[in-house]
Amino acid sequence: NAGVTQTPKFRVLKTGQSMTLLCAQDMNHEYMYWYRQDPGMGLRLIHYSVGEGTTAKGEVPDGYNVSRLKKQNFLLGLESAAPSQTSVYFCASSYSDRVKETQYFGPGTRLLVL
Amino acid sequence: DAKTTQPNSMESNEEEPVHLPCNHSTISGTDYIHWYRQLPSQGPEYVIHGLTSNVNNRMASLAIAEDRKSSTLILHRATLRDAAVYYCILRGFMNNNAGNMLTFGGGTRLMVKP
Repeated sequence: NAGVTQTPKFRVLKTGQSMTLLCAQDMNHEYMYWYRQDPGMGLRLIHYSVGEGTTAKGEVPDGYNVSRLKKQNFLLGLESAAPSQTSVYFCASSYSDRVKETQYFGPGTRLLVL
Repeated sequence: DAKTTQPNSMESNEEEPVHLPCNHSTISGTDYIHWYRQLPSQGPEYVIHGLTSNVNNRMASLAIAEDRKSSTLILHRATLRDAAVYYCILRGFMNNNAGNMLTFGGGTRLMVKP
């Protein structure tokens, strides 16, 4: 099992450029999440999905869009990147949203917006 | 949501036990106490969780105060590989927030000295 994988590992963008971050999980999990982590801080939820074809907003959704066309993949898009979106992005997945459930995290994507 | 308070940092010597405290004085009766850790340049990983009773697993032990207003993560013999930021997180049935997302605070940075 690869668990949760993220592509790419690192990316540099210029202001106004667009890109898509890919998250894939092979654990047949229903729930998937995108978090961002700014230096010295904890993670904050951007968007999440409770199943194939569904998406919902988290704490900090502005400037991002997501899609879940396949159960195993969760894509995070930046349509027009801004320097404030410089961060490390983590994808996570879980079987359910039960309070005892564990979330499994990917290794992260480091994004620098100039 | 109930909040947690953790020391910013702690130091330990290798192969000695480490007790990482967490205060959660506003915890509700249905909140589970979860611990995750984040190794340098990696995504968070699950460590342990509990509700009322003390819990043990291969990674750590969780000691929960009788009034549940505090808990302690215990690493029985710290190794260099345990150097990480440790997050204490409450998850409850009443949260009803964004797929029951994980709410990360600042965590405790554990430094392990050889």
